[in-house]
Amino acid sequence: EPEVTQTPSHQVTQMGQEVILRCVPISNHLYFYWYRQILGQKVEFLVSFYNNEISEKSEIFDDQFSVERPDGSNFTLKIRSTKLEDSAMYFCASSKQQGSGEKLFFGSGTQLSVL
Amino acid sequence: GQSLEQPSEVTAVEGAIVQINCTYQTSGFYGLSWYQQHDGGAPTFLSYNGLDGLEETGRFSSFLSRSDSYGYLLLQELQMKDSASYFCAVRDLGGGADGLTFGKGTHLIIQP
Repeated sequence: EPEVTQTPSHQVTQMGQEVILRCVPISNHLYFYWYRQILGQKVEFLVSFYNNEISEKSEIFDDQFSVERPDGSNFTLKIRSTKLEDSAMYFCASSKQQGSGEKLFFGSGTQLSVL
Repeated sequence: GQSLEQPSEVTAVEGAIVQINCTYQTSGFYGLSWYQQHDGGAPTFLSYNGLDGLEETGRFSSFLSRSDSYGYLLLQELQMKDSASYFCAVRDLGGGADGLTFGKGTHLIIQP
């Protein structure tokens, strides 16, 4: 079965540094998402992306965050100046369609640790 | 905004049936989804209810009552591999969000 792939699986960075998390969504999917999950907590929506632009973002997704689809396959999340509270598991997801019963396929995540 | 309430933890015995409830408050409503997440793993889609009633997929069923803002996930013939966290999630038309809002998750513990 096709899957969403994310790299790296773990990322350790110093506070204030920039990080880029990478994702390859499923090839025929049109909608892309980033979610994060702080250890032991719920999965939180960050941003959705469709037709090469952000379609929705949450309050978490402030000016320090950006997303990009630099080519036909990759989807990236950049955090410009990391903070301690950015430490979390970041999940990329994609879906074929949006609307009734849309099924999100999640990648296995990138564990970001900010020191 | 949206809020979802589900029990933090449920314990059941292998081979038994367990029900995980979810109540929600949204300014709009566009269906209730359920996802399973094993420790250290990614959420995986289990089920979706857009209309009232029961949806069955193998050992798993999900129910929705829109008038009660309530749904549940029913797991039958429990197996040890069902030990995981289960999240209900809504997509809220009123919020205009494309993204799903997840509940805090129910940790299901299966005992032999």
